[in-house]
Amino acid sequence: DGGITQSPKYLFRKEGQNVTLSCEQNLNHDAMYWYRQDPGQGLRLIYYSQIVNDFQKGDIAEGYSVSREKKESFPLTVTSAQKNPTAFYLCASNVGSGGAFETQYFGPGTRLLVL
Amino acid sequence: KQEVTQIPAALSVPEGENLVLNCSFTDSAIYNLQWFRQDPGKGLTSLLLIQSSQREQTSGRLNASLDKSSGRSTLYIAASQPGDSATYLCAVSTPNNDMRFGAGTRLTVKP
Repeated sequence: DGGITQSPKYLFRKEGQNVTLSCEQNLNHDAMYWYRQDPGQGLRLIYYSQIVNDFQKGDIAEGYSVSREKKESFPLTVTSAQKNPTAFYLCASNVGSGGAFETQYFGPGTRLLVL
Repeated sequence: KQEVTQIPAALSVPEGENLVLNCSFTDSAIYNLQWFRQDPGKGLTSLLLIQSSQREQTSGRLNASLDKSSGRSTLYIAASQPGDSATYLCAVSTPNNDMRFGAGTRLTVKP
């Protein structure tokens, strides 16, 4: 089955701690994305990557970091600099060619909570 | 900057009713518009994608329309069922190959 997996489903962060959220896809997609979702708000783009070893900041990149060493993997690290990390984090991917025919496929999400 | 707005924020209807969800966007320079469904605590599932050159798309009981010049889209759900209860989000794809999302409409269909 092709798809996107995210782990863990729930993640707890202590004060001053960095945590890493995993995102893996077996769809052979070039482009991958990380979004943050807060109650009552639309998804906001954190980072995206259109090709291996390259990534771009989205609207709310401060306090987050990413890497793209493999086509199928795009982990997100929430650093201690992110002062309000409690949210639902969604990973997505698409073919990456752009244009009218693109659709994004989403993983099941990771809920991050602060202890 | 592209802004996407969805009205209403929440909607409750009795089973069997036909309903319309609204989405508006500020910049008509889009590649496509998508409607997604999100169940509580889950990821998003794509329902319909309308290309910028199209006026509407249909899938089963769902029909989505697009009026790019006025910056509006509607999602029509016919003969609603309790299983349709979810949050519905619209998103527009920009020329930068990113997507801008609305905050969603939370739909409850009562048996």
